[in-house]
Amino acid sequence: DGGITQSPKYLFRKEGQNVTLSCEQNLNHDAMYWYRQDPGQGLRLIYYSQIVNDFQKGDIAEGYSVSREKKESFPLTVTSAQKNPTAFYLCASYSSGTSGTGELFFGEGSRLTVL
Amino acid sequence: AQSVAQPEDQVNVAEGNPLTVKCTYSVSGNPYLFWYVQYPNRGLQFLLKYITGDNLVKGSYGFEAEFNKSQTSFHLKKPSALVSDSALYFCAVRDPNSGGYQKVTFGTGTKLQVIP
Repeated sequence: DGGITQSPKYLFRKEGQNVTLSCEQNLNHDAMYWYRQDPGQGLRLIYYSQIVNDFQKGDIAEGYSVSREKKESFPLTVTSAQKNPTAFYLCASYSSGTSGTGELFFGEGSRLTVL
Repeated sequence: AQSVAQPEDQVNVAEGNPLTVKCTYSVSGNPYLFWYVQYPNRGLQFLLKYITGDNLVKGSYGFEAEFNKSQTSFHLKKPSALVSDSALYFCAVRDPNSGGYQKVTFGTGTKLQVIP
């Protein structure tokens, strides 16, 4: 079935270490997104990509990096520069061909805990 | 700038009773509005959306939502709540007139607790 796969589901990291979260989709969607979810704050946009080899900063990009070398893949790296990285991270994709009327499709999320 | 407000952090309702989860929005033009549901440690699932047309929109699992332009609201409703409806609900808005990348803004979420 088509969908979005995020891995790992749970990840523990020591302070000062970089970590990369994987996001793969087989929906043939052009646009992909990374959101961060913290209790009581809703979803905040980290990065988004509308086409391969192009991506833009969202509202809270500091301390994060991404790449978009393939249409199917949009990995997120949480760097040691991110001051408070413990959170639930959600990847989403979107069919831009719907002219804005389409909904986002989400992966199952990755929970990162910094020890 | 567009925004979404979900005024209730938590809504409690008895099983079998009707439920309402409130959402108000602010955009410069006509909005695209969405509701999503999230179960613990899972991703968001799409429930329903309003794009244009009939103000009452029906979606998955018996949920519906009413678009009210004058009150800038898009409340989620269900005639008879189930215990399995207990989850976190997010309202979201997209401004189709924002051009280029059309950002989706999410509310802070409302936890729905259905009591047996």
